[in-house]
Amino acid sequence: ILNVEQSPQSLHVQEGDSTNFTCSFPSSNFYALHWYRWETAKSPEALFVMTLNGDEKKKGRISATLNTKEGYSYLYIKGSQPEDSATYLCAFDTNAGKSTFGDGTTLTVKP
Amino acid sequence: EPEVTQTPSHQVTQMGQEVILRCVPISNHLYFYWYRQILGQKVEFLVSFYNNEISEKSEIFDDQFSVERPDGSNFTLKIRSTKLEDSAMYFCASSGRATGVSQPQHFGDGTRLSIL
Repeated sequence: ILNVEQSPQSLHVQEGDSTNFTCSFPSSNFYALHWYRWETAKSPEALFVMTLNGDEKKKGRISATLNTKEGYSYLYIKGSQPEDSATYLCAFDTNAGKSTFGDGTTLTVKP
Repeated sequence: EPEVTQTPSHQVTQMGQEVILRCVPISNHLYFYWYRQILGQKVEFLVSFYNNEISEKSEIFDDQFSVERPDGSNFTLKIRSTKLEDSAMYFCASSGRATGVSQPQHFGDGTRLSIL
């Protein structure tokens, strides 16, 4: 059973604060690491796919890093806005084509 | 932008009945997936499907479950004899993943399955 863990479980920040959260995954049989953004009553939306150790991806104010050797990825949000409020999911792919999701980090940004 | 569509949005079924959940993946995608989320719990992988066969399945995906791509566009999940614990939101996803390349999965809006 693959264990993908995300921390913290939830986070409350003020508008303008920068924040980050962690996804931990097994360091063996790594194929890819996905980050998704999931707003209430909507479907998960893909943010990043990361495949190489040391990868850094950026999309506007959101960025992510990947360390496959130690089995973690960080997601950073710079200058959080209320519209960033959502659950952020990471998913770990093995080369067998199976995605294992973490429990998610729920971010609430207060105006 | 192309979307994954799922029907129905909500399905209510008596325990023991068969149910079919339908998905239309993005047309040029190659990999198809089903996930479920029981209320208050994490998203759980059920099955992945490629080249007209199951490529991977979880321990949840037992003999009561089956998937099919009956034509070039639909991808269905069938539960033969539903149980109360099958009540969940079921998500379909597709990706253009090919050998050596991992693409993001595009999710449908989900079907809420309620077993009475």
